[in-house]
Amino acid sequence: AQTVTQSQPEMSVQEAETVTLSCTYDTSESDYYLFWYKQPPSRQMILVIRQEAYKQQNATENRFSVNFQKAAKSFSLKISDSQLGDAAMYFCAYWDGGSQGNLIFGKGTKLSVKP
Amino acid sequence: SQTIHQWPATLVQPVGSPLSLECTVEGTSNPNLYWYRQAAGRGLQLLFYSVGIGQISSEVPQNLSASRPQDRQFILSSKKLLLSDSGFYLCAWTGATGELFFGEGSRLTVL
Repeated sequence: AQTVTQSQPEMSVQEAETVTLSCTYDTSESDYYLFWYKQPPSRQMILVIRQEAYKQQNATENRFSVNFQKAAKSFSLKISDSQLGDAAMYFCAYWDGGSQGNLIFGKGTKLSVKP
Repeated sequence: SQTIHQWPATLVQPVGSPLSLECTVEGTSNPNLYWYRQAAGRGLQLLFYSVGIGQISSEVPQNLSASRPQDRQFILSSKKLLLSDSGFYLCAWTGATGELFFGEGSRLTVL
């Protein structure tokens, strides 16, 4: 069965600095999708970035980028120029491409941003 | 553009009482819809998904049920709530490439 592991329950970063959140996953599939979601205190889950496994190029979305290492089954999120509004829970998620859209989520990393 | 709404945002219910959480999607037709639960300190757990009217699949057997009476309406229900049903419930629909788009969430506290 596929699993997603986020080994850092909490992280902290200084405003304007860079932070990397770790995510590893386990799968026997060759084609799949990976996502990072942000859940601020308002609790609504927001999609931050997505990566297709068949693409070698790492996805980038403004200040957010990923380091996708397929062989190592690693999918880390880098946040550059951290802002106070980046403080939130961050969830890594895996999807095997099945029609039912059953994403497997990690347990999350709580990111704090210090002014 | 597509939007998704769910209500109520917050609910406090006694043990044994019924539950109804509603979710509606606008701006799309025949969406795949999902109910997830997020318990304190844990990730998200898929409870139900629906690919069309009247079509419900359950991922986890439990005290809850779901229904889809209309194309863009998804309802989560219970006849008798348990303490363990407390949590944050999220409705979602899938985009063309598998990503989930979530509603605002409903916080349920069972006392």
